[in-house]
Amino acid sequence: QVQLVESGGGVVQPGRSLRLSCAASGFAFSSYGMHWVRQAPGKGLEWVAAVWYDGSSKNYADSVKGRFTSSRDNSKNTLYLEMNSLRAEDTAVYHCAREDFRNILRGYLGYWGQGTLVTVSS
Amino acid sequence: DIQMTQSPSSLSASVGDRVTITCRASQGIRNDLGWYQQTPGKAPKRLIYSASSLQTGVPSRFSGSGSGTEFTLTISSLQPEDFATYYCLQHNTYPYTFGQGTKLEIK
Repeated sequence: QVQLVESGGGVVQPGRSLRLSCAASGFAFSSYGMHWVRQAPGKGLEWVAAVWYDGSSKNYADSVKGRFTSSRDNSKNTLYLEMNSLRAEDTAVYHCAREDFRNILRGYLGYWGQGTLVTVSS
Repeated sequence: DIQMTQSPSSLSASVGDRVTITCRASQGIRNDLGWYQQTPGKAPKRLIYSASSLQTGVPSRFSGSGSGTEFTLTISSLQPEDFATYYCLQHNTYPYTFGQGTKLEIK
């Protein structure tokens, strides 16, 4: 069965960097587009980034553009989110999510991980 | 960016009630909309995709409708496990955007 497990969260000071990972199993990771979605404590969901199945194309929310970079290592079945210049407003649970269908990036987010908490605080 | 206006933001209802949640898009998004249910501490779970298609395994009391700019999620007869927060997501145009959420509470 599809499994997505995020890791790498923790407490980090403003202005510092952090890298999140999303380990995928139970499916052909290299064939599926992937997304990051976050949720600040007590707030709603916010889409963050999308990565094409081969990593050739990426899209970002305006709030993270230029600071966050999503990448993937298909040989390790892992998705990454490199977060730089972190701000207090980046504090959130970060989920990775998988597209429903192979070889497309259309926003059909049918599978989600449980998320990892990032806290940006001095 | 496309704004998704979801209403109501909260709703009190009883087991057995019929409830409707609405999402309005600031511009046409065809049927590129999903509905998600989230309980505290859990990942969102998709109920409806392509505005009106029921996700496999989701009870038939959930239904979605709409196209273009106006969408609804209806729960025909509330069950205890349905008390949760619901979100719509437009995935027609980047950046993808969620509605603000509707918290469904027990009356």
